[in-house]
Amino acid sequence: SQKIEQNSEALNIQEGKTATLTCNYTNYSPAYLQWYRQDPGRGPVFLLLIRENEKEKRKERLKVTFDTTLKQSLFHITASQPADSATYLCALGGKLIFGQGTELSVKP
Amino acid sequence: DGGITQSPKYLFRKEGQNVTLSCEQNLNHDAMYWYRQDPGQGLRLIYYSQIVNDFQKGDIAEGYSVSREKKESFPLTVTSAQKNPTAFYLCASSSVLAGGGEGKNIQYFGAGTRLSVL
Repeated sequence: SQKIEQNSEALNIQEGKTATLTCNYTNYSPAYLQWYRQDPGRGPVFLLLIRENEKEKRKERLKVTFDTTLKQSLFHITASQPADSATYLCALGGKLIFGQGTELSVKP
Repeated sequence: DGGITQSPKYLFRKEGQNVTLSCEQNLNHDAMYWYRQDPGQGLRLIYYSQIVNDFQKGDIAEGYSVSREKKESFPLTVTSAQKNPTAFYLCASSSVLAGGGEGKNIQYFGAGTRLSVL
């Protein structure tokens, strides 16, 4: 069955550093992959979508890569800020299968 | 303001009681979804609907029921058959379920309903 795995452990980094989150998937060949941000007690909010023929996509301080050979997407936040602290979810497929999310904590 | 409204924000269920969670959207989206989220876990799909008067079971539909009588509304009932209902429930909508070009299934979420058992 289709499976998505994200770093289960929380990621703690210092303000100003680059945060890198990983999303791996199996038994699926998605045409595109999405990333969402979820704050505690809130619904997820869409951030970025990357197509299978795109190697990289950027939006302000966010960068997403998509390697269909490795079946992996990397999500980078450059010059991280405490306000970036949240849980980040990757999702793929038509009905969208969500990973369990990685909690990011940026310390001042 | 366009968006998805879930109510109530907090809900308590007594033993043997059915409770209904409301979800309304004014985005003119065809597809709507219900997810359950448990602490430290991802979103699990309960039910989804592509069109009025039609809906399909997701991965964990047992103990839940839905209706889609209007395009804007997709209420979820947590029945007494759901033995472990305590969770955070999220409603979402997208322009279409799948296909229709990329981006059409970007999901917009409500603020969630936290259900607890008394």
